[in-house]
Amino acid sequence: EAGVTQFPSHSVIEKGQTVTLRCDPISGHDNLYWYRRVMGKEIKFLLHFVKESKQDESGMPNNRFLAERTGGTYSTLKVQPAELEDSGVYFCASSQEGGWVFTEAFFGQGTRLTVV
Amino acid sequence: AQSVTQPDIHITVSEGASLELRCNYSYGATPYLFWYVQSPGQGLQLLLKYFSGDTLVQGIKGFEAEFKRSQSSFNLRKPSVHWSDAAEYFCAVGSWDSGGYQKVTFGTGTKLQVIP
Repeated sequence: EAGVTQFPSHSVIEKGQTVTLRCDPISGHDNLYWYRRVMGKEIKFLLHFVKESKQDESGMPNNRFLAERTGGTYSTLKVQPAELEDSGVYFCASSQEGGWVFTEAFFGQGTRLTVV
Repeated sequence: AQSVTQPDIHITVSEGASLELRCNYSYGATPYLFWYVQSPGQGLQLLLKYFSGDTLVQGIKGFEAEFKRSQSSFNLRKPSVHWSDAAEYFCAVGSWDSGGYQKVTFGTGTKLQVIP
């Protein structure tokens, strides 16, 4: 069974450009989470999808970030326009209906975004 | 709001020595606690989790953790470290949002170096 897959693995863009990150969760996982880690800091929650609906987007930094999950399958996270402080590693995780406690959340390998 | 503190940013141990990674949490109710490991180029992998029952939890790869409510701690231990344990370790605490979904907060991580 394929795990959580994230594309690209690494992206370097200039300030002001647009970048779209993609996450393919494990098939059948209704829950999809986005997290971000700025260098040396904690892994911070961005948002949580249940199927195609945003359950919690309280961690999204500002309106330059837009997340979608079309048809409840893969998800994209778009940053437009990118700023220097957006640099970091973006992680995606997915889990079955029971969530973190009653099942397990599986993580992708992350996308390292560098804004220059 | 919940939070996690991992006081050690970097730890170096000799192969074969014992290991203890510290984690303190802040949460008003009974916490759900996790330890994840991230090896270079990989996503986060669940080592173990606690949400009820025996306060000493066994995980994968020979790791264990002990929940101590009085100290608000959930320290990770391993009796004998192997070179392959070199990685970054994250402690996390889970809670429930108003919609009944779980939300997980991570610490800043502890990077483990293993020397021969």
